[in-house]
Amino acid sequence: KNEVEQSPQNLTAQEGEFITINCSYSVGISALHWLQQHPGGGIVSLFMLSSGKKKHGRLIATINIQEKHSSLHITASHPRDSAVYICAVRSPDSNYQLIWGAGTKLIIKP
Amino acid sequence: DTGVSQDPRHKITKRGQNVTFRCDPISEHNRLYWYRQTLGQGPEFLTYFQNEAQLEKSRLLSDRFSAERPKGSFSTLEIQRTEQGDSAMYLCASSDSGEGYGYTFGSGTRLTVV
Repeated sequence: KNEVEQSPQNLTAQEGEFITINCSYSVGISALHWLQQHPGGGIVSLFMLSSGKKKHGRLIATINIQEKHSSLHITASHPRDSAVYICAVRSPDSNYQLIWGAGTKLIIKP
Repeated sequence: DTGVSQDPRHKITKRGQNVTFRCDPISEHNRLYWYRQTLGQGPEFLTYFQNEAQLEKSRLLSDRFSAERPKGSFSTLEIQRTEQGDSAMYLCASSDSGEGYGYTFGSGTRLTVV
């Protein structure tokens, strides 16, 4: 079993839909990251969370430490949101390494 | 300073040649990380610097790989005697050691070994 699991693996939605991507982890963490990677592109850090909720534009990230679960929400989705969204966690034992989820490939159709 | 810069963006090399990549982190960031990503996979941690000290090196990093950050600013990653299995995207990221701990990634260097 992977230490960081994301669901769904693939998601196709229509423009304007509310999107939710989930991340569950089985290890203790000091922080959780949500990152975005466009095809052939670099990785962009969206959020870093250690508790609660953060919002940036149409993106919202939440984390429940007790349940070891985080969600990334996209409101009013747009085709330019199409990308791979990656959840990664940092162990309190290591300030260096991120444990990466497999990613969720999101396609937003116009 | 607009972010983390990596150079070159693309590199095609013949098997057996040596290659060197450069990463310029955000100037205020004292932590620098190298990752490698192959197609369809998540990034794999390679090595980590705090200032000029290399504090962690993955077992993935064979003796053919070496990384330096001589003045605690830019970093280089060298691969000697490249093999086809080295073909990947090499990503550099930096962060500060404050409460933020947010990572900023560079656009990566795509290496193709032919």
